[in-house]
Amino acid sequence: DSGVTQTPKHLITATGQRVTLRCSPRSGDLSVYWYQQSLDQGLQFLIQYYNGEERAKGNILERFSAQQFPDLHSELNLSSLELGDSALYFCASSERAWSTDTQYFGPGTRLTVL
Amino acid sequence: DAKTTQPNSMESNEEEPVHLPCNHSTISGTDYIHWYRQLPSQGPEYVIHGLTSNVNNRMASLAIAEDRKSSTLILHRATLRDAAVYYCIPPGSGNTPLVFGKGTRLSVIA
Repeated sequence: DSGVTQTPKHLITATGQRVTLRCSPRSGDLSVYWYQQSLDQGLQFLIQYYNGEERAKGNILERFSAQQFPDLHSELNLSSLELGDSALYFCASSERAWSTDTQYFGPGTRLTVL
Repeated sequence: DAKTTQPNSMESNEEEPVHLPCNHSTISGTDYIHWYRQLPSQGPEYVIHGLTSNVNNRMASLAIAEDRKSSTLILHRATLRDAAVYYCIPPGSGNTPLVFGKGTRLSVIA
C-alpha cells in the first residue's frame, strides 16, 4: 500500500459526459501528479501540482483540467469525453517537487467511455 | 531531455538473478537514473535510483557504468512476484517530472 488513494476504482460513462477523479496523496506529500495509461500510449504524464499550484504540464488535453485543494487532495476533471479517453488514470504523490523525488502511485481509476 | 533504450521483454527462471539493461547515452552529468516497476493491474512502484556509483536496497541493485551511458538493474533472485514491466527513467530537466517509456516486460518462469 503506497498511501495514495484514488476514487472511484472504476467509472463507466458515455461519450460527451464529464467525470471527476479524486486523489488523496500520502500524508506529508506536497506534490500530486496525474498520469494516463492506455494500451497504445503507455504511461503519459498529464499534470503536476505542488502545494496547490500548477507545477508542470505534460500531454494534457484542453478538455481535461485539474486542481489541488488546500488539504492537498487533487481532482482531475475530464469533460466532453471521447471513446479514446478510456484508460487507466493514476495519481502519484511526492514529498517535494524535484525530479529526483520518489513518486508513490495510487491504484488507479479505470475509466471506460462507451 | 535524456532518452532511454530498454529491451521490450526479458525472461528469467525463478530463483535466478536477472540483469535488466538500460542505455541512456544522452544523460547529463547531474541526472539521476530512476527505476520503477509496474506489477499487473497495479500502479507503478519505485525500485531504486542512483547517480554515479552502484546502489543497493532491499529490492534490487543498480549498477551504473563509469561513463554513465548505461545502467543495469539487478534482481538477485527473481520470484514470480517480480514479473512486471520495469521502467528505466532519467528525469527531465530541472523540475520536470519523470518520463516513462515502454519499459521491459519481465516474465519469470517457475
